Amino acid sequence: QVQLQESGPGVVNPSETLSLTCSVSDSSILSGDYYWNWIRQPVGKGLEWIGRIYLSGSINLNPSFQGRVTMFIDKIKRQISLRVTSVTAADTAVYFCAREPYVGGGFDPWGQGTLLTVSS
Amino acid sequence: QSALTQLASVSGSPGQSISISCTGTSSDIGRYNYVSWYQHHPGKAPKLIIYDVTARPSGISDRFSGSKSGSTASLTISGLQAEDEADYYCSSFTTSITWIFGGGTKLTVL
Repeated sequence: QVQLQESGPGVVNPSETLSLTCSVSDSSILSGDYYWNWIRQPVGKGLEWIGRIYLSGSINLNPSFQGRVTMFIDKIKRQISLRVTSVTAADTAVYFCAREPYVGGGFDPWGQGTLLTVSS
Repeated sequence: QSALTQLASVSGSPGQSISISCTGTSSDIGRYNYVSWYQHHPGKAPKLIIYDVTARPSGISDRFSGSKSGSTASLTISGLQAEDEADYYCSSFTTSITWIFGGGTKLTVL
């Protein structure tokens, strides 16, 4: 059973860039059978889809994040990365990565999530 | 994009059945059969319990079932158990090639 594990700095200053990494435990990242998604949950609020990346590097984004979010896929390290520029307090959230089948299905599995706090 | 619409909370007694609805538009739920449901116990990873409107992943109890009519999807939980108390989120693919979530429904088992 594949496992996903997010990691990040924990705290980021306002206006700076946040960078998070999701490590994938098996070789499914190389198969082309999946999209890799980032989803976040602000404290006390619901889930919000940020975007997804495919093996080819193709990215689909929530329009709310256009121009501020970049994603990368590192096939050698088996990692997916998320970068969000010009962060504000509104970006404080638990950030999850999740795998999605290329056709149909849902987000499965999810990582445990990493809390990112924007504060000076 | 606006979130799918879910009631904020629902409750039921052990053994009862409850349904959680999720309302979207013709650009998401009404357009695709790519509706999924997630169970989320705070502090843990969300768990996929229904995908493609009605399908259950391996290992998910058949007490969980999904359906769709027009632009509204529903999750039904039968034989409520204490462990079912959690937050439940629906999600749908959209014509903008994005995913969208509902606001979440908190299920309380009385």
